Amino acid sequence: EAAVTQSPRSKVAVTGGKVTLSCHQTNNHDYMYWYRQDTGHGLRLIHYSYVADSTEKGDIPDGYKASRPSQENFSLILELASLSQTAVYFCASSDQYSGNTLYFGEGSRLIVV
Amino acid sequence: QQQVRQSSQSLTVWEGETAILNCSYENSAFDYFPWYQQFPGEGPALLIAIRSVSDKKEDGRFTIFFNKREKNLSLHIKDSQPGDSATYFCAAYASSSFSKLVFGQGTSLSVVP
Repeated sequence: EAAVTQSPRSKVAVTGGKVTLSCHQTNNHDYMYWYRQDTGHGLRLIHYSYVADSTEKGDIPDGYKASRPSQENFSLILELASLSQTAVYFCASSDQYSGNTLYFGEGSRLIVV
Repeated sequence: QQQVRQSSQSLTVWEGETAILNCSYENSAFDYFPWYQQFPGEGPALLIAIRSVSDKKEDGRFTIFFNKREKNLSLHIKDSQPGDSATYFCAAYASSSFSKLVFGQGTSLSVVP
C-alpha cells in the first residue's frame, strides 16, 4: 500500500499554462519535499515543508510555487509552464526523527509542449 | 556546484560480477551517506546507508566502503543479478543541523545475463 501517492502520474501541458502536481502521504510525517529528476542531474530539490501552511525554497525554486494545506498534502504549482520544466517530479516525505530517510512517491511525468 | 558526485553515469556488468559504483563529496560536515535504488517507473527507495564513524557497512550482497580522509565512498554489489539493474543514487546528509539530503547524479547499472 503506497504511503506517498502523486497525481497525476503523467501530464502534457502547453507552454504558458498552469500545472498543479499533487502529493498525499499517509506516513504521518512532518516533512515533505518536491524533487525534479533529469538525466545527468539526478534529483534536485525544488521546495520542501516542515509543517502545514509553511513552505521553504530548495535549490531550484525558480518557476515553481508550493502549497502545504495540511500535514498530508503538498502541491507543486507551475504558474506559467515552460519547455525547460519538462521532467519527472517526485514527492517525498520524512519524519522529524529521521529527516535523512526519504520515502518517495512513484513520480509525475510532465511534458510541456 | 555539485556537492555529491558520482563518477559514472552508467555501468554495465555481467551477471555474477561485482559492480562497483563510486561517489565523492565536498562538504566535510556530511556524516550520513545513504544509497537509494530506483527501478524504472518507480520512485527511489533507500537501499543501504553508512555513517561517517564507520568505514564499511554490509547488507547481504550490498557493501558500502567509506573513506573519510579522501571524501569518497563506493557501493559494491556482489554477485550482480539482472534484477539489480536500476539507477543508484549516492546521497549525503549533515546531521549537525537540520539539512536536506544532497543527491548525486545517479549511476544507471545494467546487469547483463
